Amino acid sequence: DAKTTQPNSMESNEEEPVHLPCNHSTISGTDYIHWYRQLPSQGPEYVIHGLTSNVNNRMASLAIAEDRKSSTLILHRATLRDAAVYYCILRAGNQFYFGTGTSLTVIP
Amino acid sequence: DTGVSQDPRHKITKRGQNVTFRCDPISEHNRLYWYRQTLGQGPEFLTYFQNEAQLEKSRLLSDRFSAERPKGSFSTLEIQRTEQGDSAMYLCASSLVRGGRLNQIYNEQFFGPGTRLTVL
Repeated sequence: DAKTTQPNSMESNEEEPVHLPCNHSTISGTDYIHWYRQLPSQGPEYVIHGLTSNVNNRMASLAIAEDRKSSTLILHRATLRDAAVYYCILRAGNQFYFGTGTSLTVIP
Repeated sequence: DTGVSQDPRHKITKRGQNVTFRCDPISEHNRLYWYRQTLGQGPEFLTYFQNEAQLEKSRLLSDRFSAERPKGSFSTLEIQRTEQGDSAMYLCASSLVRGGRLNQIYNEQFFGPGTRLTVL
């Protein structure tokens, strides 16, 4: 199984940027990097994905290391609604491998 | 609401009973996934369908589990002879995948709210 490693938890102050790291040293050339987040009592929600180049969308930015063995999800200004578990996922073929994720706490 | 829906939201059953869950995906989505999530863990892939065909099953899917997607629309997941270890949240997701086998374009998965199963 394609594996990712993330810190169990992180804290951020409201309205400050948050950098959520992910290691995926066993990534293969065709694995896409996806990020989803899960709010309490809800199913996961798509955040962003990429292959090699950095990606931006309205929710976040994804910075992918040149060797692709790590990536960072960047929330530019954390809000209280961003408090969730963030999963860094490798898509290998048709399967998604979720890890245990990073629980983000946003401090008002 | 045009999102993914799941029914029931909660199910409590006694060990040994059979249970069935239903998932209604977003109507134009051709892919449907089932996941299982236990407390403190991320979702674990169980199986997925491309239209009505079940294309892949995880090793986690024992013989007591069966999934169907007749007509390529809604899907059901049945667990026979439930065990306490089956207690978990069962999540369904759908997505639209375009292209042929060698150049598939994946779009995001949309998840339902899940069915929480408790086996007593």
